[in-house]
Parts: sequence; C-alpha cells; structure tokens
Amino acid sequence: SQQGEEDPQALSIQEGENATMNCSYKTSINNLQWYRQNSGRGLVHLILIRSNEREKHSGRLRVTLDTSKKSSSLLITASRAADTASYFCATDRGGNQFYFGTGTSLTVIP
Amino acid sequence: GAVVSQHPSRVICKSGTSVKIECRSLDFQATTMFWYRQFPKQSLMLMATSNEGSKATYEQGVEKDKFLINHASLTLSTLTVTSAHPEDSSFYICSATLTSGSYEQYFGPGTRLTVT
Repeated sequence: SQQGEEDPQALSIQEGENATMNCSYKTSINNLQWYRQNSGRGLVHLILIRSNEREKHSGRLRVTLDTSKKSSSLLITASRAADTASYFCATDRGGNQFYFGTGTSLTVIP
Repeated sequence: GAVVSQHPSRVICKSGTSVKIECRSLDFQATTMFWYRQFPKQSLMLMATSNEGSKATYEQGVEKDKFLINHASLTLSTLTVTSAHPEDSSFYICSATLTSGSYEQYFGPGTRLTVT
C-alpha cells in the first residue's frame, strides 16, 4: 500500500466477541483515521485520532495510537453482524492527502 | 452533514474509449478534492489531489495524460479515463475537503468502471 499494512487481513468472530485490528504506517503523521467500507460501497468515517493523542473512544470503538511504533489499533467491542465490513486506517501527513492501509476484512457470525 | 456524490455509479465502456466520472460536493464548497482507485479486495490508492482552478497533483506512478482531472468549480471535479483498457477497470472514489488544512474528508459513493 502507499502507506502501511493492516493485520490481520481477514478476521472472523462470533457475534458478541471483540474484534481488534492493527495498522502500521511508515512516515510521521498529523493524524490517523479509521474508516469502514461495506462491499462495493463508499467509505464511512469512524474515528480520528491526532498524533498527540494515545487513545480515543467512540461508542463501541476504541482506538489507540503509538507514534513511537508507528502503529494504531481499532477495537470493536460486543460485535454485531452489522459490523461485517472492511476496515481501513488512513494517515494524514499534513498535506490533506490520505494514505490508506491494506485493510482488514471483518466477518461477524450471528 | 457534507455530502459528496459521484456520477455515474457504474459504467461499462469498450476498450479504447474515454470515460468521464463526476464528483460533486452537494451542500458545501470544496477547495480540494481527491481521487482514489480501488481494485477488488484491495485498499484505496490515492491517485491525485485536485485544487479548484489549478492543475492536479498526481501521485507517483499515476499517468496524468491517462487520467485527466479537471476541477473547474468549487463543487465539481471530473476524472476522465482516456483510451481506457481492461486493466483500468476499477472502483474510483472521490473525496472532498471543506477548507485547506481540514482533517475532514467526505467520500463519494464510488464509481465502478468496467472496460470490456
């Protein structure tokens, strides 16, 4: 990818379990954002974390950022079947351009 | 919230023809728009940054003569895939920002291009 890698590439869990996805990137950033994408559709913005923040919460989402390791994680708690989608991290290096990670395909089994 | 539309949502064209994709910001003026392409089961790749009234800035490896971008107004950017070939078949997504330096990007729903 232009910026980094996400792992796992694919994740399958039971409804109610937690899902954790990781994102690593290559260069210094201003902020990092997470998006979800349902198959063949556009992107939905989930959460933004700035480079001076370490953790952020939004509903069932928890995002962490470790700039020393150039990595971020997205935790979805109490997953639902409707959470099934692909999840991407995107980094902003300060020029407004977003560089996306390779993505994690999440399947939540009812 | 800010809404970005794309037209068409799907297009099929013959090899060698050109295809134009429109990206519109419906309820705001977008100083900057971005174009991405996404192959099946892959990530989004930034193709170019488009500022209203100036030439687009292309990412390394993206042919500017192949992918013509025009950002003639604050609400419309167009991407023209010239002399399309089957390998240009992809999902093309645009996004827009309200102001320069804004963290928020609003994404369009995407255009599925199939070149036969």
